[in-house]
This record gives sequence, structure tokens and C-alpha cells, in this order.
Amino acid sequence: AQTVTQSQPEMSVQEAETVTLSCTYDTSESDYYLFWYKQPPSRQMILVIRQEAYKQQNATENRFSVNFQKAAKSFSLKISDSQLGDAAMYFCAYRSAWGEYGNKLVFGAGTILRVKS
Amino acid sequence: DAGITQSPRHKVTETGTPVTLRCHQTENHRYMYWYRQDPGHGLRLIHYSYGVKDTDKGEVSDGYSVSRSKTEDFLLTLESATSSQTSVYFCAIGSRDSDYGYTFGSGTRLTVV
Repeated sequence: AQTVTQSQPEMSVQEAETVTLSCTYDTSESDYYLFWYKQPPSRQMILVIRQEAYKQQNATENRFSVNFQKAAKSFSLKISDSQLGDAAMYFCAYRSAWGEYGNKLVFGAGTILRVKS
Repeated sequence: DAGITQSPRHKVTETGTPVTLRCHQTENHRYMYWYRQDPGHGLRLIHYSYGVKDTDKGEVSDGYSVSRSKTEDFLLTLESATSSQTSVYFCAIGSRDSDYGYTFGSGTRLTVV
């Protein structure tokens, strides 16, 4: 079974600075997707960024980018120019690319990001 | 999200009582999922459905049952609620061809006293 590990329960960053959240995963599959979700205090789950394992190029969405190291099974999220609105819980998630009965998302434990003004 | 709604948003119930949480979607997605969120554990899969009347267990299914009689509705039932089932419950929907993860409901905060 696949597992996802987020080793940083909490992180802090100064407004306008850059922060990196870590995520590692364990799988024997070669084809899969990786995601970062943001959960603000409203509890809503918001997709931040996704990465396809077969693509070597790291995904980027505005101020959010990932460092995907497939051999190391590492998938970190970098937030540049941090804003107060970035304060939230961040979840890393894994999903197999194949599966007859639905491709289930497997989540890490989450990292709370605090942004200081 | 507009395409998926959960009810109720909050609920307090007593130990030993049955509880049913409802998830309704308007996206006609085949796959529906129930997760629970607990501190230190992230989101863990309880049950999922891959079609009407087709359901299967996730990693934390003990004490829970589900039913899906229509494409749009997926019900999660706690047969006899316990304090360990105090949690935030999320429903999610997805399609097999979608590589954009899932769409999540707003969650239900359940407190068992």
C-alpha cells in the first residue's frame, strides 16, 4: 500500500518570504499523480498544484511550485512571496494512475503553515 | 463546491445512537468517497463507491456502513456512534478519467458525547 509522509507538523514564514513544505511517499508503481491541497480555517479542501509522475518537468502555478524527485520519492511544495492568505493546513496526496474501482487519494498528516506579518 | 454538498454541516450526538451523513452531487461522477480527518492523521478513507450499489471498504471502515442507491447520493452511517468517531467527515467525488484529484464537500463536524 502507498504511504505519504509529511515530516513537518508546523512551519512558519515571514510575509513575502519563501517557504518549502516537504513530502515523501512510498510506492512500487511507476505511474501516478501527486497533489498538494490547501485547507484554510473554512475547512474547504482546495487543490493547489498537481504533478504527473511521468513528467520530469516540475509543475508551477503562479507563486506555487514543486520539486519532484521521482527516484527519491520526494515531492516538496515551494511557496514564493508568501501572503497572509497562504496560512492554512497543507496536505500532500498520492493517487495511482490505474485502478478499476476508483483511484483513491492517500494523504499525508498535513503541515500547518503560519504566515507572520 | 457547487457540485457537491454535505449535510449536516455540524452535528452533536450521543454515544450509542445511529447517525447518517449525506453527500449529494450534481456532477454525475461515478466515484464517491468518504474520508475522516483527525489531527496527526490527515484524511483517511472510510468507504468509497464506484457505482450505484457498488461500494468497498477503505482503511478505517470499522463501525461505518455506506449506501448508494442513486448516482447522486452517497450515505455514511455510524450504526452506534462512539466517542472515537468524533471527527470531521469529508465527502469527495471524482471521475476515472480525471487527473485533477477530487472535488471535496465542505465537511461535517461530528461530535459524539
